[in-house]
Amino acid sequence: KAGVTQTPRYLIKTRGQQVTLSCSPISGHRSVSWYQQTPGQGLQFLFEYFSETQRNKGNFPGRFSGRQFSNSRSEMNVSTLELGDSALYLCASSLRQYNSPLHFGNGTRLTVT
Amino acid sequence: GEDVEQSLFLSVREGDSSVINCTYTDSSSTYLYWYKQEPGAGLQLLTYIFSNMDMKQDQRLTVLLNKKDKHLSLRIADTQTGDSAIYFCAESSTGGYNKLIFGAGTRLAVHP
Repeated sequence: KAGVTQTPRYLIKTRGQQVTLSCSPISGHRSVSWYQQTPGQGLQFLFEYFSETQRNKGNFPGRFSGRQFSNSRSEMNVSTLELGDSALYLCASSLRQYNSPLHFGNGTRLTVT
Repeated sequence: GEDVEQSLFLSVREGDSSVINCTYTDSSSTYLYWYKQEPGAGLQLLTYIFSNMDMKQDQRLTVLLNKKDKHLSLRIADTQTGDSAIYFCAESSTGGYNKLIFGAGTRLAVHP
């Protein structure tokens, strides 16, 4: 079974631009979550979706948004990029609605210059 | 609030056992997890333990859970150079759904 697939693997953007990251979950998984990983803050939860509904959101500004499609694929968008948005963005999928192990993709490395 | 703490660095000799420790604050966490991250990669789920268990063994990995002290440990037997990585402890958030709270990660260095 294919794992979680994230595209692209690397992105370089300029301050003020916007970016869209994509995530395809493991087949059959309907829960998708997103995390930001930085050296200073570690792994921080962004949001979680189940059946196209955002059920939980982390403490990030409104510039960070996401959505989930009917096939469970998910995208996250960051608008008006700042230097501090440079990070590894990790997507994870889970089989069940609650208390289900998260399986992570290899991430998208975003660099903002 | 929810918090997970880990020591930042561990160095062991190849063939020895490694023990990585973690403390957490949320006593109502249902599951506790161990993930491994190698350079340039995402997080690999190693193992997890349900909160009503004390111990779980999976090949070279042994997880011990002390609920009273909110202490979790991961023991890797016969540590190999391929085990060099960052290991993250995580607890399931009582905020529900599938949100995890991660520790800062323990960097394991295995030397000959």
